[in-house]
Amino acid sequence: GESVGLHLPTLSVQEGDNSIINCAYSNSASDYFIWYKQESGKGPQFIIDIRSNMDKRQGQRVTVLLNKTVKHLSLQIAATQPGDSAVYFCAENPGGGNKLTFGTGTQLKVEL
Amino acid sequence: DVKVTQSSRYLVKRTGEKVFLECVQDMDHENMFWYRQDPGLGLRLIYFSYDVKMKEKGDIPEGYSVSREKKERFSLILESASTNQTSMYLCASSLNTGYGYGYTFGSGTRLTVV
Repeated sequence: GESVGLHLPTLSVQEGDNSIINCAYSNSASDYFIWYKQESGKGPQFIIDIRSNMDKRQGQRVTVLLNKTVKHLSLQIAATQPGDSAVYFCAENPGGGNKLTFGTGTQLKVEL
Repeated sequence: DVKVTQSSRYLVKRTGEKVFLECVQDMDHENMFWYRQDPGLGLRLIYFSYDVKMKEKGDIPEGYSVSREKKERFSLILESASTNQTSMYLCASSLNTGYGYGYTFGSGTRLTVV
């Protein structure tokens, strides 16, 4: 079946730099995408979402970009802080219904 | 804030035991889900429920069952625990809006079967 994947399993950035976490999806019927953050020992937390009728959405220090042509999703974190260290998951809703499909996650490490 | 509460953070059970994992949400969400999370495999859906007394199999239902007698509570049952069920179990809930909507997750239960 189709699945959500990630380009890099681990990303290391310096504190204060911008981070970009990438995600490839293969289901062209997906119409809704979410990024989650999971800190060690905790459940995933919602960060930001985007619907397929948009190509960019901004939150506080985070931006999600959606490129439907190449089926690519990215999460940009501005001025990365130590508290941003976590595993980041993308998830997709493959057209209708309420079931999400999750990627395997990218570990973001922030170096001081 | 929506809260999804899982009854135990850590559990250690013996092989062959019947194990109950409880999940309660307080925001009247229709949908509830159980996932397991293993290194390198991401989140895999075990069971989900769109309404009281309703359940549907996810991608890996073998060895598990669920119960949803009340809207706010969704229980995962390991009928006879095995060592390959050692994992992090995550419960989630969401509104049933007819289109994609984000989940709210609990903090997880780390189950070890010995």
